[in-house]
Amino acid sequence: AQSVAQPEDQVNVAEGNPLTVKCTYSVSGNPYLFWYVQYPNRGLQFLLKYITGDNLVKGSYGFEAEFNKSQTSFHLKKPSALVSDSALYFCAVRPSYNNNDMRFGAGTRLTVKP
Amino acid sequence: EADIYQTPRYLVIGTGKKITLECSQTMGHDKMYWYQQDPGMELHLIHYSYGVNSTEKGDLSSESTVSRIRTEHFPLTLESARPSHTSQYLCASSERRYNEQFFGPGTRLTVL
Repeated sequence: AQSVAQPEDQVNVAEGNPLTVKCTYSVSGNPYLFWYVQYPNRGLQFLLKYITGDNLVKGSYGFEAEFNKSQTSFHLKKPSALVSDSALYFCAVRPSYNNNDMRFGAGTRLTVKP
Repeated sequence: EADIYQTPRYLVIGTGKKITLECSQTMGHDKMYWYQQDPGMELHLIHYSYGVNSTEKGDLSSESTVSRIRTEHFPLTLESARPSHTSQYLCASSERRYNEQFFGPGTRLTVL
């Protein structure tokens, strides 16, 4: 069975500092990995995905994520955090062969302080 | 913003009422999904659809039902609302291949 772990419920960073939101996964076969962001009272917004190819994936709003197969991780990163990045972030994984088995992590709340 | 719409955005209703949450997408996506999410918590898949006339239950047991008569429309119905149904309901759609899911803005349901 597929699963996703986001080990931190909350991440706090100062504006201008780099940020990392962690995600590890378990999936049978090759993984397709996704990051979403959710602002208050809104649906989830797609940020980036890893399907195949380069392990470093660049996405919206200056975010990037690195696929690490040996560590089964897909951490979300940004070199310089903005206050407006404060939101709830979800990692998701599904196996390459099954489009219906998307698993979401429990979410990590990112707070960027001025 | 993706072209997926949910109505109503907020709904407060009494116990025992029948309600239908609407979801429509204009992207021609085959697959559609309903998730239940308590505020700030993880998502739980309650229903999904491969295409017209195809519906399946998700991981989380739900007393709701869905229908898929048209590609663009995937309504969710609660025959008799209860306070335990109070939650946020998110609709999503995706293409047949590996692409990401696009989410609607959600419906926040409160059952008194």
